[in-house]
Amino acid sequence: GAVVSQHPSWVICKSGTSVKIECRSLDFQATTMFWYRQFPKQSLMLMATSNEGSKATYEQGVEKDKFLINHASLTLSTLTVTSAHPEDSSFYICSARGDLNQPQHFGDGTRLSIL
Amino acid sequence: RKEVEQDPGPFNVPEGATVAFNCTYSNSASQSFFWYRQDCRKEPKLLMSVYSSGNEDGRFTAQLNRASQYISLLIRDSKLSDSATYLCVVSPGYSSASKIIFGSGTRLSIRP
Repeated sequence: GAVVSQHPSWVICKSGTSVKIECRSLDFQATTMFWYRQFPKQSLMLMATSNEGSKATYEQGVEKDKFLINHASLTLSTLTVTSAHPEDSSFYICSARGDLNQPQHFGDGTRLSIL
Repeated sequence: RKEVEQDPGPFNVPEGATVAFNCTYSNSASQSFFWYRQDCRKEPKLLMSVYSSGNEDGRFTAQLNRASQYISLLIRDSKLSDSATYLCVVSPGYSSASKIIFGSGTRLSIRP
């Protein structure tokens, strides 16, 4: 089946640090990639949708200058959490989709802890 | 009204039981439907797509009712390993920017 790789799995860093998370589709071309955040015992929350070669579309309430998304190729998207603070600590998950009506496939997620 | 609604559960059933979940959606133009499962502290994994004619994969059966705008998931002969949160996913599918909507999930716990 389709494989999406997300890296790193865990990040623990000091407040004020910027953290970059990579999401790669390994065996298919991801026309669209999605970034989610999930707090404990809560639902997935879509942060932004990105299509290769164009600017990401952010959900309401998500700061685009805080969460920088780059989708430079059909197999790679990155999310950079700039100047992270403890309230940014969460489980960040990417997903990728090829054709329009195909399911999304998720990366393993990145657990981010800001001290 | 939420775009996709699921009973949050938890459903607590004995091993071997049959359990069914429903999920309703509000956008009648929705084109694609999926069930995912998410284990605690893990990413969602695709369980199965849902087709108009209904489809089965082993112990799992998914059905779509467009008239009533709901999809269902039936799990037969449940196993301990079926314990997870089951997410209903609906996609309008008419453009690359179509927003995929996740239900909030139904928690299932299978007891020995």
